[in-house]
Amino acid sequence: SAVISQKPSRDICQRGTSLTIQCQVDSQVTMMFWYRQQPGQSLTLIATANQGSEATYESGFVIDKFPISRPNLTFSTLTVSNMSPEDSSIYLCSVPSPGLAGGIYEQYFGPGTRLTVT
Amino acid sequence: DAKTTQPNSMESNEEEPVHLPCNHSTISGTDYIHWYRQLPSQGPEYVIHGLTSNVNNRMASLAIAEDRKSSTLILHRATLRDAAVYYCILRPRGGSNYKLTFGKGTLLTVNP
Repeated sequence: SAVISQKPSRDICQRGTSLTIQCQVDSQVTMMFWYRQQPGQSLTLIATANQGSEATYESGFVIDKFPISRPNLTFSTLTVSNMSPEDSSIYLCSVPSPGLAGGIYEQYFGPGTRLTVT
Repeated sequence: DAKTTQPNSMESNEEEPVHLPCNHSTISGTDYIHWYRQLPSQGPEYVIHGLTSNVNNRMASLAIAEDRKSSTLILHRATLRDAAVYYCILRPRGGSNYKLTFGKGTLLTVNP
């Protein structure tokens, strides 16, 4: 299993500012995923962060708005830039756990960062 | 990604069994069926997964139809702690596609 912590757990920010969210995992993992969950909605994948390479963004998400760093195998940051009220969401990081014979059976999720933009 | 269809909400009484259905008529032969749940104010957590045969673990059972176009997550005795949104997700076997694509899920309410 993997234990994931995120900082901050919640924040209230003013529009136009930026917030950097940290994700720390208690074991080394190749991939980390960043998700967004808007109020009352399901989770949407923002990007996949691999150590040593550029993050891969999903359709509708761009690096200028959501820059990601992945300095080592246990840590990643997601920055929400130039925030607007539409960015008010829960942001979650996630890592996969290899199952038997190298298959991916589970993903573990952090507790999330609840962001409110005023 | 292959699509899943779940009821928006279901209700159960404490200590009774719960059967949560999921339709996935476009499932491919290499897709695993995964179930996750999200308790209030928490990140999702893995529940169970299967390919063709029914599966049991300490949390739940997964019954998969013979044609694999539907599946049912079974909670044998619901507790108040099982109140959550349950997501049925298809994930390709093998390769490098480790992404999870979440649908709307089923909101399970458990009555005391």
